[in-house]
Amino acid sequence: AQSVAQPEDQVNVAEGNPLTVKCTYSVSGNPYLFWYVQYPNRGLQFLLKYITGDNLVKGSYGFEAEFNKSQTSFHLKKPSALVSDSALYFCAVRAWGNTGFQKLVFGTGTRLLVSP
Amino acid sequence: DAGVIQSPRHEVTEMGQEVTLRCKPISGHDYLFWYRQTMMRGLELLIYFNNNVPIDDSGMPEDRFSAKMPNASFSTLKIQPSEPRDSAVYFCASSPGWGSYEQYFGPGTRLTVT
Repeated sequence: AQSVAQPEDQVNVAEGNPLTVKCTYSVSGNPYLFWYVQYPNRGLQFLLKYITGDNLVKGSYGFEAEFNKSQTSFHLKKPSALVSDSALYFCAVRAWGNTGFQKLVFGTGTRLLVSP
Repeated sequence: DAGVIQSPRHEVTEMGQEVTLRCKPISGHDYLFWYRQTMMRGLELLIYFNNNVPIDDSGMPEDRFSAKMPNASFSTLKIQPSEPRDSAVYFCASSPGWGSYEQYFGPGTRLTVT
């Protein structure tokens, strides 16, 4: 079954430092991968996606993600963290349900805390 | 556009009562999704619709849950009877289609069943 794993419940980083939020995937075939962000008391917001093409994908708010096929990873990165980046981050993968239709399967989420 | 609208934002009810959650998707979006988020189980897809037709309801936990989409601008998720284990945040999301794979989430309804 297609799935993603986010090995860290929380990531702490100081403002101005680079940040990485990790995600690994398990799929058969070519992976379609996504990152979403959830701010407190809000719904999830789309950040970026990888479907095909360049392994480095750029998204909203200065975030980027690197697709690594050999390591089956899709880590989210930002060169310089902001306090306002503090939120819950979800990795997701396109999966095929038992009914034969596609859907997104989300990871368990990683809380990013950026300290001033 | 106002985005995906959900109501109510908070619902507190007693076990055994019927609960109805409502969602208005973004105009022009053909897909509508219902998710449930809990600490224990994370974010789970319950059901989704395409052009008002239910496509995949394999995530609906049991017969106490039902969802409808009578038209392109309105959907409901009903729980009858409700149980304490149904306490969660329920999100509605809409999408223009699988071509973009982007889903737009509403603010959620926090349901507490006592």
